[in-house]
Amino acid sequence: AQSVTQLDSQVPVFEEAPVELRCNYSSSVSVYLFWYVQYPNQGLQLLLKYLSGSTLVESINGFEAEFNKSQTSFHLRKPSVHISDTAEYFCAVSTTGGGNKLTFGTGTQLKVEL
Amino acid sequence: DAGVIQSPRHEVTEMGQEVTLRCKPISGHNSLFWYRQTMMRGLELLIYFNNNVPIDDSGMPEDRFSAKMPNASFSTLKIQPSEPRDSAVYFCASSFPSVAGGAGETQYFGPGTRLLVL
Repeated sequence: AQSVTQLDSQVPVFEEAPVELRCNYSSSVSVYLFWYVQYPNQGLQLLLKYLSGSTLVESINGFEAEFNKSQTSFHLRKPSVHISDTAEYFCAVSTTGGGNKLTFGTGTQLKVEL
Repeated sequence: DAGVIQSPRHEVTEMGQEVTLRCKPISGHNSLFWYRQTMMRGLELLIYFNNNVPIDDSGMPEDRFSAKMPNASFSTLKIQPSEPRDSAVYFCASSFPSVAGGAGETQYFGPGTRLLVL
């Protein structure tokens, strides 16, 4: 079975400051990794994902995440956040071998302040 | 594209009543997922279907919960009888098929149904 740990339940940050949201996973088999974002009163939407190839993946709105197999991590970073980035961020994992069952972390609430 | 459609968006009911939540996946998607989100337990996968067939229902809490997918464009999640502890936001999501049975595909979430059982 797989598991995902997001140690930070809340991360407050000032606008234009950098941010890192931490994600660690546990799995005995190869995995795919995802970050989803949930804005207030909405469903989740994909931010970015790692399937294979370059370990650094980027989103269209400036977020990036790096797959680190040795540290079993997939931390999410943004060099300069905006008020509109305020949301809850979920890290998720699925196995590579068939099926699309996701295991989600408990989420990190990012609050961007002026 | 209309995205994943869920109804109702809000439901308030009394303990013991039957509740039916509905989902219309994105056209062409062949995988459908039902999730439950609560403050205490976070986001939990209840059940998922591939090609209208339930693949994994290990997350269904108990016999009071049932889910069906009679065709590729419609699914229901039923709770009978409902209890206050079932109060949560229920999400439906769908994804494209892929060579690897869907592995790695992006899941597209609906807006959710906020259920309150009094």
